Amino acid sequence: GAVVSQHPSWVICKSGTSVKIECRSLDFQATTMFWYRQFPKQSLMLMATSNEGSKATYEQGVEKDKFLINHASLTLSTLTVTSAHPEDSSFYICSARSRVFHEQYFGPGTRLTVT
Amino acid sequence: TQLLEQSPQFLSIQEGENLTVYCNSSSVFSSLQWYRQEPGEGPVLLVTVVTGGEVKKLKRLTFQFGDARKDSSLHITAAQPGDTGLYLCAGARGFNKFYFGSGTKLNVKP
Repeated sequence: GAVVSQHPSWVICKSGTSVKIECRSLDFQATTMFWYRQFPKQSLMLMATSNEGSKATYEQGVEKDKFLINHASLTLSTLTVTSAHPEDSSFYICSARSRVFHEQYFGPGTRLTVT
Repeated sequence: TQLLEQSPQFLSIQEGENLTVYCNSSSVFSSLQWYRQEPGEGPVLLVTVVTGGEVKKLKRLTFQFGDARKDSSLHITAAQPGDTGLYLCAGARGFNKFYFGSGTKLNVKP
């Protein structure tokens, strides 16, 4: 149980285009989903927290107009990187939890490369 | 300054050795999780500890939550190359606030 999927697993896009990443909880209802960014050999950096049906809460320094997060259902959240630039290239990981869990469960991550 | 200090940052040992990873804080957590992450993948949950003083075992891995719920340790007995990875601790404060340690990169050499 507690499986989270992420799609795509990797994506290459050109500078200036937008990319959407999907995060799905497959066997539980995710009342909260988290989006992280991870740089090589570093820990996770929280970008935003989203609760189903409400606006995401962004961490300080994260541009909400650049990283659009939608959590429209209890099993799906999306992260859209708008007008991507090479410096947005990174490993993006989502996680999800329900009210009955102490912990969050992570997706497998999406490797974004902006050329 | 991170809320959770994890040590050591790097650990390279021979197969068969024992090791301990620490997560320390001056703050109290309602629960604490340990994850292992391999390159190019998401973190995988190993354990959640909730009660102060709690000890949980997962085969050769032993997890302990401090009595005051401010710190935790992960001990691996007779490490194997398959234990290689990035170990992350995460402390929960409130319902949706998680604080991650900086990670311990473990390399077990055959």
